[in-house]
Amino acid sequence: GENVEQHPSTLSVQEGDSAVIKCTYSDSASNYFPWYKQELGKRPQLIIDIRSNVGEKKDQRIAVTLNKTAKHFSLHITETQPEDSAVYFCAAGDGNKLVFGAGTILRVKS
Amino acid sequence: DAGVIQSPRHEVTEMGQEVTLRCKPISGHDYLFWYRQTMMRGLELLIYFNNNVPIDDSGMPEDRFSAKMPNASFSTLKIQPSEPRDSAVYFCASSMGTGELFFGEGSRLTVL
Repeated sequence: GENVEQHPSTLSVQEGDSAVIKCTYSDSASNYFPWYKQELGKRPQLIIDIRSNVGEKKDQRIAVTLNKTAKHFSLHITETQPEDSAVYFCAAGDGNKLVFGAGTILRVKS
Repeated sequence: DAGVIQSPRHEVTEMGQEVTLRCKPISGHDYLFWYRQTMMRGLELLIYFNNNVPIDDSGMPEDRFSAKMPNASFSTLKIQPSEPRDSAVYFCASSMGTGELFFGEGSRLTVL
């Protein structure tokens, strides 16, 4: 089955700096790669996703890149703000059965 | 729409007791998922349904866990008997099958 590894487990950046979180997956059949943000005590919420026919996608300060050959994808957050502090999860799958990474705790220091 | 609704939000029970968690998906969503979240294991998919039919239950830990979806607007996850290692946050999520999962607020279960 699918296995997703996520790095780093914690990331601390200064406000205004960029943050990058990386994930690798094992199943070449996976074609859907979402990223979820979970604030403390809250539900996970989708922030951006990418499908295997696209290499990069951007939404304001957030971007995701996908390298199918290497089976890895990354989340990039630019101009970080304190409200970006949360746990971020990557996931991979076929659009229904998703396997999540272990999560990255992002702390943005002001 | 009010989103995915789960109940109870918090449940504290003693080992050996039966626990039933409930979920109402977003109207019109034909996929429903049950996830379990713990610090050690992260977010794990337990089971998912399509049009009320269980499609994949390979994530259900053992026979003590069972899930049903009697109609398009209601699902239950039952643990009988419960054990301390079942303590976790259980999330229900629904989708239209296009990918995005809409999670409920979760049910925090503590088994003493």
